[in-house]
Amino acid sequence: DAKTTQPNSMESNEEEPVHLPCNHSTISGTDYIHWYRQLPSQGPEYVIHGLTSNVNNRMASLAIAEDRKSSTLILHRATLRDAAVYYCILRSPSLSGNTPLVFGKGTRLSVIA
Amino acid sequence: NAGVMQNPRHLVRRRGQEARLRCSPMKGHSHVYWYRQLPEEGLKFMVYLQKENIIDESGMPKERFSAEFPKEGPSILRIQQVVRGDSAAYFCASSRARGLTKGVPSYNSPLHFGNGTRLTVT
Repeated sequence: DAKTTQPNSMESNEEEPVHLPCNHSTISGTDYIHWYRQLPSQGPEYVIHGLTSNVNNRMASLAIAEDRKSSTLILHRATLRDAAVYYCILRSPSLSGNTPLVFGKGTRLSVIA
Repeated sequence: NAGVMQNPRHLVRRRGQEARLRCSPMKGHSHVYWYRQLPEEGLKFMVYLQKENIIDESGMPKERFSAEFPKEGPSILRIQQVVRGDSAAYFCASSRARGLTKGVPSYNSPLHFGNGTRLTVT
């Protein structure tokens, strides 16, 4: 699986937008960009994924650069409950269809009240 | 809809004993993945199973660890003769089967994780 690079940690004020960057310069044409987060003492939770176009859902937005070598997860209004480790993961196709996720170290987001 | 259920939530074993961790996938999911998270470390993939088949076990330690996902019942991760280094949180995830879902290749089906089993070896 292609590698991603994320900042180790970020801080945000409550109620403000948060932009979490991810670099993936070696991404291949068929790799999807997935984001998961892990709240303290819980299992990871799916956030969003995309291929080329920007994506929105109830949790977040995903902005993908035109050359696909980077992406940004956007939380529109951070709350204390958004404090977590956020993982940016590239998911490659395989002959078996599904592929396991390979987690890096992620970005630890702290939200300040 | 019940999510991925893991039990027990906490498990304490003495060195040399066996640990059995159970995972019931979400309804309609036939793919199961096991991950391990050592204290203050990241999530490491262990094994990927479909019903009665191991698809990818590249992350499984060569000895003492085994996993199964029978036709009926939960997936089981079994650790024989546990050692202190096995102390960790073990997470299970499930996803839909292979195929197209609304035109999207199934390898993009999100993984749904349980809240883990925290194994402590004394």
